[in-house]
Amino acid sequence: EAGVAQSPRYKIIEKRQSVAFWCNPISGHATLYWYQQILGQGPKLLIQFQNNGVVDDSQLPKDRFSAERLKGVDSTLKIQPAKLEDSAVYLCASSFNRANTDTQYFGPGTRLTVL
Amino acid sequence: AQTVTQSQPEMSVQEAETVTLSCTYDTSENNYYLFWYKQPPSRQMILVIRQEAYKQQNATENRFSVNFQKAAKSFSLKISDSQLGDTAMYFCAFMKQRNSGGSNYKLTFGKGTLLTVNP
Repeated sequence: EAGVAQSPRYKIIEKRQSVAFWCNPISGHATLYWYQQILGQGPKLLIQFQNNGVVDDSQLPKDRFSAERLKGVDSTLKIQPAKLEDSAVYLCASSFNRANTDTQYFGPGTRLTVL
Repeated sequence: AQTVTQSQPEMSVQEAETVTLSCTYDTSENNYYLFWYKQPPSRQMILVIRQEAYKQQNATENRFSVNFQKAAKSFSLKISDSQLGDTAMYFCAFMKQRNSGGSNYKLTFGKGTLLTVNP
């Protein structure tokens, strides 16, 4: 079974530029998550999708971050404009959303460096 | 809000020995799950073990086992016969049920413990 795919793996941009990350979840997984992991910290949830609807985006900085999951499969996360403090690893995860077994499986992440 | 605390930023162990990583959490929920995830230097987050709060029996997965103390809100991970490949950052995570009617869960992570296994 293929895992969660993410691209690119690394991205370096200057502040005020825009960047987009892509995620393809495990086939059949209805729930998709984007996490931000700042160096030395645990991941923090940015947004959660159930199929193509948003379940939780309470910690998403909506003035600069946006995300979509068209057709309930792939998802993109965009930052516009980027700030220095956005430097982090962005992790995508997915889960089957079956009651009592909602384990999340993670992709390899995208390491973003904002200069 | 839920919080997860890992009080050991770094630990080391000799190959073949046993090590225990600590985790405590704070919640008012009664139904929840606890996880240990491993993140090697390649940064792929991998599930190590999972515990359902309603189960009294501690979960085990090969060399990995947990000591779940619900009343004390403690969830430690024991790694037996440590191997060089166990070197990684280990994260404790908590998941509660978001609402009574749904199955949408949110993971809350601790800050992690960097485990180094020495030859």
